[in-house]
Amino acid sequence: DIQMTQSPSSLSASVGDRVTITCRASQGISNYLAWFQQKPGKAPKSLIYAASSLQSGVPSKFSGSGSGTDFTLTISSLQPEDFATYYCQQYYSYPLTFGGGTKVEI
Amino acid sequence: EVQLVESGGGLVQPGGSLRLSCAASEFTFSSSNLNWVRQAPGKGLEWVSYISGSSSTIYYADSVKGRFTISRDNAKRSLYLQMNSLRDEDTAVYFCARARYIYGRETFDYWGQGTLVTVSS
Repeated sequence: DIQMTQSPSSLSASVGDRVTITCRASQGISNYLAWFQQKPGKAPKSLIYAASSLQSGVPSKFSGSGSGTDFTLTISSLQPEDFATYYCQQYYSYPLTFGGGTKVEI
Repeated sequence: EVQLVESGGGLVQPGGSLRLSCAASEFTFSSSNLNWVRQAPGKGLEWVSYISGSSSTIYYADSVKGRFTISRDNAKRSLYLQMNSLRDEDTAVYFCARARYIYGRETFDYWGQGTLVTVSS
């Protein structure tokens, strides 16, 4: 199985900050990497697929990059609605696997 | 707008069974591949199972293989997860998620709101 490792597991930030979250795969997954946002008590929301493509309706302040084993999610200017937990996921092969999550807090 | 609505969760004793449902609307259900994903209380996301539109391809996580069965009824636009021999560690919110085929692989695009399964005596 492909292991996905996210860092940091949590971070504190302020409104307006630029935030970067990293995700590493235990083996190469090309660009088959997705990012999800989850707020407490809510379903995950799909943000990014193919490492850098935004899902429909997702604002451009979110961006993703990377290929192979190392990936990043960047939020360019953090807003109050962006405080949430973010997960990466590889969909290169089954079983699909998620990173442990990064909680973005004030 | 695409909608996925899960139901069927509840409290069940260890060793018991439960059947989850996911009702879909506003997309071509029979040609859409679907997944179940779960999240234990305070924990991260764990993929559980996948089924193709025609039910010809099915995958399971090792943690549920032999105990859970995924199925679908395209006429009823519904996805199911039959869970048998339930264990404490199966306690979680269960989400259904639609898969979208892009650039040679399938990624999730829409998720349901989830249904809580609690396994406890």
